[in-house]
Amino acid sequence: RKEVEQDPGPFNVPEGATVAFNCTYSNSASQSFFWYRQDCRKEPKLLMSVYSSGNEDGRFTAQLNRASQYISLLIRDSKLSDSATYLCVVNAGSGAGSYQLTFGKGTKLSVIP
Amino acid sequence: EAGVAQSPRYKIIEKRQSVAFWCNPISGHATLYWYQQILGQGPKLLIQFQNNGVVDDSQLPKDRFSAERLKGVDSTLKIQPAKLEDSAVYLCASSLRLGGLAGAEQYFGPGTRLTVT
Repeated sequence: RKEVEQDPGPFNVPEGATVAFNCTYSNSASQSFFWYRQDCRKEPKLLMSVYSSGNEDGRFTAQLNRASQYISLLIRDSKLSDSATYLCVVNAGSGAGSYQLTFGKGTKLSVIP
Repeated sequence: EAGVAQSPRYKIIEKRQSVAFWCNPISGHATLYWYQQILGQGPKLLIQFQNNGVVDDSQLPKDRFSAERLKGVDSTLKIQPAKLEDSAVYLCASSLRLGGLAGAEQYFGPGTRLTVT
């Protein structure tokens, strides 16, 4: 089983649609989780951290299910500017507070006018 | 605030040649990372520095890859000799420190796109 697994997509959705991405991870000891966004031929940028209780940032909602070892990202009211690859990231660091990020392959989203 | 700087942006070499990449992190960031991103995949951590010390190099192919951060600021990553499968984007990232919320947010440079022919 791969460490961090995502559906590569592409997800082609119309503007205004709601879209959800899931990600599964294999290391049950993983302590922290993130979603990064990567535009075509650009560097990854942190979109949001994922907290145990779930968290929301504007149109974006992230949730964590530790029992099932999956993370989700929900995007409401999709904009053309949301078109990008979304990378699920898991902290595999072994020490308290240490960070060794393991990236998934990413899910490609295309928002269509 | 200036971001993470990397050079060169592009490099084309033949297999068995050597190549070096340079990274200057955000001022004040103690932790520096080198990642390899092959087309269609997520970034893969190669090595992680805290100041000028190596925290984790478990995924660095040490027979051909080396990295240093001598003064705890900028860093170089070298490949010698290069293989065809080394063709990738090499990303440098930095974070304020290793742990805590500040350690979670890594700022990436634009990367160096390496093509090995």
